Amino acid sequence: EAQVTQNPRYLITVTGKKLTVTCSQNMNHEYMSWYRQDPGLGLRQIYYSMNVEVTDKGDVPEGYKVSRKEKRNFPLILESPSPNQTSLYFCASSLRGLGGLSGNTIYFGEGSWLTVV
Amino acid sequence: QQQVKQSPQSLIVQKGGISIINCAYENTAFDYFPWYQQFPGKGPALLIAIRPDVSEKKEGRFTISFNKSAKQFSLHIMDSQPGDSATYFCAAAMNTGFQKLVFGTGTRLLVSP
Repeated sequence: EAQVTQNPRYLITVTGKKLTVTCSQNMNHEYMSWYRQDPGLGLRQIYYSMNVEVTDKGDVPEGYKVSRKEKRNFPLILESPSPNQTSLYFCASSLRGLGGLSGNTIYFGEGSWLTVV
Repeated sequence: QQQVKQSPQSLIVQKGGISIINCAYENTAFDYFPWYQQFPGKGPALLIAIRPDVSEKKEGRFTISFNKSAKQFSLHIMDSQPGDSATYFCAAAMNTGFQKLVFGTGTRLLVSP
């Protein structure tokens, strides 16, 4: 079954305590991305990766890091979480890039609820 | 220029009625316009998508209408059902440069029985 798997699904942490949200896809997709969803703001892209070792910033990258050492995994790292990073996070993947002729379907994980106190 | 504006924020429709959600964009470089459906506790899932070379695309009860000159597109849900109650997001993407989906702010649809 095609899946994008995120862990943990729910996490409460304290300000400043480093955490990592893992993301794994089993579809051999080249493109992976992280979004955060906040009420009234929709989904905003944090980082994306076009392939292994190729990453770039999205709209709201401040306070986040990513790495893409393997094709299937794209972890999101919060080095020093702050309360304004309390949000619902989604990992997503697509066979290749977006738009135009490549307009590939993006598959989303089920989300990770993060609360920073 | 990277924004996609979506309205209404919420919508209540009676069973069997037509649900209409509208989106507008500024950047003419966008060339892929998907709609996503999200149920509570789940990630968004692709519902239907259109490219700007067509004015309408229909899949079952779901239709996208696209007006390139007005830079607007809309989702129509015919014969709306309670099971359609969800949050709907429009989005836009471009083939070159910044590889991301730009999402609208979402519409919470409630179809009353």
